[in-house]
Amino acid sequence: SQQGEEDPQALSIQEGENATMNCSYKTSINNLQWYRQNSGRGLVHLILIRSNEREKHSGRLRVTLDTSKKSSSLLITASRAADTASYFCATAYFSGSARQLTFGSGTQLTVLP
Amino acid sequence: DAGVIQSPRHEVTEMGQEVTLRCKPISGHDYLFWYRQTMMRGLELLIYFNNNVPIDDSGMPEDRFSAKMPNASFSTLKIQPSEPRDSAVYFCASSSGQAVNTEAFFGQGTRLTVV
Repeated sequence: SQQGEEDPQALSIQEGENATMNCSYKTSINNLQWYRQNSGRGLVHLILIRSNEREKHSGRLRVTLDTSKKSSSLLITASRAADTASYFCATAYFSGSARQLTFGSGTQLTVLP
Repeated sequence: DAGVIQSPRHEVTEMGQEVTLRCKPISGHDYLFWYRQTMMRGLELLIYFNNNVPIDDSGMPEDRFSAKMPNASFSTLKIQPSEPRDSAVYFCASSSGQAVNTEAFFGQGTRLTVV
């Protein structure tokens, strides 16, 4: 079953604008990760935020995490046409040798040139 | 390292046939995951291994599906007999257990079409 639900399902913006995607989840996590998938390709890891962190930056990416609301957001600033892809959040929970990595439904981002 | 390698990239088979998907994880990674992606159900975790041992196979849809990891550098996902509803993209991913907060590395996937 999917842990995370992303919102919106699809987002279309103009190049140069910012894109914000949201992710909600249901259970306890150790970290939350964001991945990108280009059409017909595998997923590529973008950024990881630990459960005790509230905000993290990597280049044009900014991720926030609110564990009290069980939600996260991914902000891509100054978007480019090359950012067009599907973006997935994934919640990670581990205990002993158990490693659950559960993906959300994804947001399809289209950046128009 | 060449990353996670999956084969074949595409597979078209007839209903009832056996299908075997293959995965070579990144060297040194001790976790290996099999996912299935469809438009309807998104990315579903089928099974994952730690040090070649299956840890959780609760996502395996039914007995027609089986997965093995005979050694640290190779895993297979087998469907026997295959059905049209098995058509999907199957991904293999690996990660390191040396640190708990690490990402997973995905292969390019195998697109399976059962006709």
